[in-house]
Amino acid sequence: DAGITQSPRHKVTETGTPVTLRCHQTENHRYMYWYRQDPGHGLRLIHYSYGVKDTDKGEVSDGYSVSRSKTEDFLLTLESATSSQTSVYFCAIRKFQGVEGYTFGSGTRLTVV
Amino acid sequence: AQKITQTQPGMFVQEKEAVTLDCTYDTSDPSYGLFWYKQPSSGEMIFLIYQGSYDQQNATEGRYSLNFQKARKSANLVISASQLGDSAMYFCAMREGEGTSYGKLTFGQGTILTVHP
Repeated sequence: DAGITQSPRHKVTETGTPVTLRCHQTENHRYMYWYRQDPGHGLRLIHYSYGVKDTDKGEVSDGYSVSRSKTEDFLLTLESATSSQTSVYFCAIRKFQGVEGYTFGSGTRLTVV
Repeated sequence: AQKITQTQPGMFVQEKEAVTLDCTYDTSDPSYGLFWYKQPSSGEMIFLIYQGSYDQQNATEGRYSLNFQKARKSANLVISASQLGDSAMYFCAMREGEGTSYGKLTFGQGTILTVHP
């Protein structure tokens, strides 16, 4: 494993409830990202972070918020889950170790019913 | 406008044959990076290969090579000697210049590759 874990791996929740997904890294990387994957769309950026308390919106940020109070944790919150937020969510970290690269977490499959 | 376009929703190849997966990109930034990822049915994203916009030579990693044609803005992935385990979804992605991009990746829609025995 490359030092990035997502939790939970699977979640079913009801419409209107808040949901928080967690991304945890063990390697002290500055940049972290949340993407969602939907058929026909590839991966789309929701929010990203370039340091503790430094976050910004991505392409599909409506209905989502994030927080990064520690370098190692990047939280994604669905304030009030909707069925359109049923998706697979990936966290990623950006690495600079000789060659530029990104490592992705294993993903969280979220179903909103 | 789409920044990354993968025009092949699905591709089929015979085992041991080579296959090319197409990717075109659109950017006005002179500094960018191009990536290919593999996503097997288990769902994880596996990094395959990287090409920087200033790299003079095409990137290669084992059986993977990137056919980088800068003037045409294409970054096709070539897989030589296909194996059954290569059956997966493949994504092309671009990271634009450092200025204000913060390393954000933009992905194509993906190509599903099926390798037949």
